[in-house]
Amino acid sequence: KNEVEQSPQNLTAQEGEFITINCSYSVGISALHWLQQHPGGGIVSLFMLSSGKKKHGRLIATINIQEKHSSLHITASHPRDSAVYICAVRSGGNGNKLVFGAGTILRVKS
Amino acid sequence: GAGVSQSPRYKVAKRGQDVALRCDPISGHVSLFWYQQALGQGPEFLTYFQNEAQLDKSGLPSDRFFAERPEGSVSTLKIQRTQQEDSAVYLCASRDRRSSYEQYFGPGTRLTVT
Repeated sequence: KNEVEQSPQNLTAQEGEFITINCSYSVGISALHWLQQHPGGGIVSLFMLSSGKKKHGRLIATINIQEKHSSLHITASHPRDSAVYICAVRSGGNGNKLVFGAGTILRVKS
Repeated sequence: GAGVSQSPRYKVAKRGQDVALRCDPISGHVSLFWYQQALGQGPEFLTYFQNEAQLDKSGLPSDRFFAERPEGSVSTLKIQRTQQEDSAVYLCASRDRRSSYEQYFGPGTRLTVT
């Protein structure tokens, strides 16, 4: 079993829909990252969180440390949100390396 | 300022060739990471530098993989005697000591071994 599991693997939504991507992890962590990757490889950090909830524009990230689960929500989705969304955790035992999920491929249709 | 840059962006190598992939981190960033991303997968950690010191190389898949950062800025990932399973995107990321562990990623080098 991978240390970081994401669901769904693929997601197609209609423009304007509310989107949720889930991430579960099996190790103790010091922080969890949500990243966005566009075709061509560039990765952009969206959120880094260790508790509670963060919001940036139409994006919301939540984490439940007890349940070892995080969600990324996109409100009023738009075709430009189409990308791969990756969850990564930084374990408490090693503050340096990230362990990544396989990513969720999101396509938002207009 | 400029972000993390990597070169070449694309590399095709014949099996058995040696390749060298370059990463230019953000100026002043102390930490530098290399990751390998196979098609359809998330990145996997290869190695980590703090300045010129390679503090963690536990993710390097074999002794054909070698990374260096001799002056604590530019880093090179070298793969000797490339194999088809080495085909992947190689990502570099750097981090400022003051950024609370946020990593800034380069665009990656897509290596195809034929």
